[in-house]
Amino acid sequence: ETGVTQSPTHLIKTRGQQVTLRCSSQSGHNTVSWYQQALGQGPQFIFQYYREEENGRGNFPPRFSGLQFPNYSSELNVNALELDDSALYLCASSLMTGSETQYFGPGTRLLVL
Amino acid sequence: KNEVEQSPQNLTAQEGEFITINCSYSVGISALHWLQQHPGGGIVSLFMLSSGKKKHGRLIATINIQEKHSSLHITASHPRDSAVYICAVSPNFGNEKLTFGTGTRLTIIP
Repeated sequence: ETGVTQSPTHLIKTRGQQVTLRCSSQSGHNTVSWYQQALGQGPQFIFQYYREEENGRGNFPPRFSGLQFPNYSSELNVNALELDDSALYLCASSLMTGSETQYFGPGTRLLVL
Repeated sequence: KNEVEQSPQNLTAQEGEFITINCSYSVGISALHWLQQHPGGGIVSLFMLSSGKKKHGRLIATINIQEKHSSLHITASHPRDSAVYICAVSPNFGNEKLTFGTGTRLTIIP
């Protein structure tokens, strides 16, 4: 068991709405990364947080934003949802940014109608 | 053209066969990762490589930095190995800013 949890597991929203996804890191991990995985595709890197600061961002618009809290749990916020935002959103935690291994959560499946 | 290409996209083999999955990349990297994704989404990190070869149980991963190519091998394949295997590269020695391939779907038939 990885110890990384995500909530909710499934979510349905309509275009234009806002959504917040949550991730609880494995105990002791100070780094969390978020990924978007469209159906049939590999994951795409959204951003990474290290000790509450953004530590790298992929090619996603500003309406994708994040937060990491002092307990290292994390949120992904998406504003003005678009149909193409429908995907599996994965978070992964690691002991530090240079770690070999990331521990992935089960993901949140978001459907935008 | 994707920065990370995997082949084959789909692979079906009989139990016990030796499996090879290939990954080629076109960007400069410091590390390459192999991951396993089971139905439903769960992803497990298998290896991180920056050179040479690593082995864990029946899994072997190799990388050739000059040729920008990596392979994942599975010996004595088993139906429980059925999953999607994903290659990902990082510009830094670590796990940030990973660029992923689209994965190879492996099915092992008993």
